[in-house]
Amino acid sequence: AQSVSQHNHHVILSEAASLELGCNYSYGGTVNLFWYVQYPGQHLQLLLKYFSGDPLVKGIKGFEAEFIKSKFSFNLRKPSVQWSDTAEYFCAVNGVGGGSYIPTFGRGTSLIVHP
Amino acid sequence: NAGVTQTPKFRVLKTGQSMTLLCAQDMNHEYMYWYRQDPGMGLRLIHYSVGEGTTAKGEVPDGYNVSRLKKQNFLLGLESAAPSQTSVYFCASSYGPPSPLHFGNGTRLTVT
Repeated sequence: AQSVSQHNHHVILSEAASLELGCNYSYGGTVNLFWYVQYPGQHLQLLLKYFSGDPLVKGIKGFEAEFIKSKFSFNLRKPSVQWSDTAEYFCAVNGVGGGSYIPTFGRGTSLIVHP
Repeated sequence: NAGVTQTPKFRVLKTGQSMTLLCAQDMNHEYMYWYRQDPGMGLRLIHYSVGEGTTAKGEVPDGYNVSRLKKQNFLLGLESAAPSQTSVYFCASSYGPPSPLHFGNGTRLTVT
């Protein structure tokens, strides 16, 4: 079975601070990895995804994430956050093969950015 | 394109009442999903479908039923609502792994 752990439940930053949100997964094989963002009062939207190739993937709005296979991690980063980045962030994993049709989501990290 | 559309957006039920949430997608996606979102619990999968006429249980299926009679629609039913079903419900669809999910705007359900 696959699982996802997001260690930071609540993060509070000031504008221009750097951001790193942790995501670790558990699955014995190849994985597809995702970060979704949910702005206040809105639905989840895809931020970025990793399928294969370069382990450093870039998404929208200046976000990036690095897949480290040896650490089973897919941490989300942004060098300088803005007030508009205030949102909830979800990491998700989809194991490849084994009859897994659905992604598993982490519990989410609430990010508040103070202007 | 409308994407994924959920109706209604808000609903208040009394304990024991029934209701159906409708999800419609216009992207010709094969896979459809129903999640509930509760504070501190993230997204939990209720039921999903890998194609027209198919359904399967997710992580928290008890108290819910679903139907996928048409490819574009995925209905979530509550036969006898309970206060524990107070939540925000999200529908999502995708082409299937490894494609990402497309989410609807959610339905906020309160059961009193």
